[in-house]
Amino acid sequence: EPEVTQTPSHQVTQMGQEVILRCVPISNHLYFYWYRQILGQKVEFLVSFYNNEISEKSEIFDDQFSVERPDGSNFTLKIRSTKLEDSAMYFCASTQAYSNQPQHFGDGTRLSIL
Amino acid sequence: SQQGEEDPQALSIQEGENATMNCSYKTSINNLQWYRQNSGRGLVHLILIRSNEREKHSGRLRVTLDTSKKSSSLLITASRAADTASYFCATFKTGANNLFFGTGTRLTVIP
Repeated sequence: EPEVTQTPSHQVTQMGQEVILRCVPISNHLYFYWYRQILGQKVEFLVSFYNNEISEKSEIFDDQFSVERPDGSNFTLKIRSTKLEDSAMYFCASTQAYSNQPQHFGDGTRLSIL
Repeated sequence: SQQGEEDPQALSIQEGENATMNCSYKTSINNLQWYRQNSGRGLVHLILIRSNEREKHSGRLRVTLDTSKKSSSLLITASRAADTASYFCATFKTGANNLFFGTGTRLTVIP
């Protein structure tokens, strides 16, 4: 069965550094998402992406964050200048259609900011 | 806030027993989805129920949805030790394009 893949599985970065998290969504999916989960807390929506542009973003997704689909397969999340509070598990998800379709999640990237 | 709240927060049962988890939410939805998360892993989609559906089954899973009460329940029958995980409900709000997750129920099935 096709899967969403995320790399790296664990990223350790110094505060203030830029970090790029990578995702390969399922190939025939059209809608892409990033979520994050701070340790012990609920999963929070960051951003959704469709047709090469952001379709929705949360308050968390401020100017430090950006997303890109640089080619036909990758979907990336960039954090420009990381803060300690950015430490979390970041999940990528994709879905085939806008509504009434399950979202398929990757295994996540654990981001640790030192 | 749209976020769902699950109860109980934690549930511990013996293998073979049934487990019921409840979810409440606050605004109108297109659908509600249940996900499972093993420790340190990603979210696995279990079942999606649309707003015009009342009950759905998938194997040992049974989900109900009551839009008048803005609540849903997930029943796992004949539980197994391998069902030990956290279970989250997530709502797809009308007019939005993302999932709002609940706080989760941590299920432990004792062999």
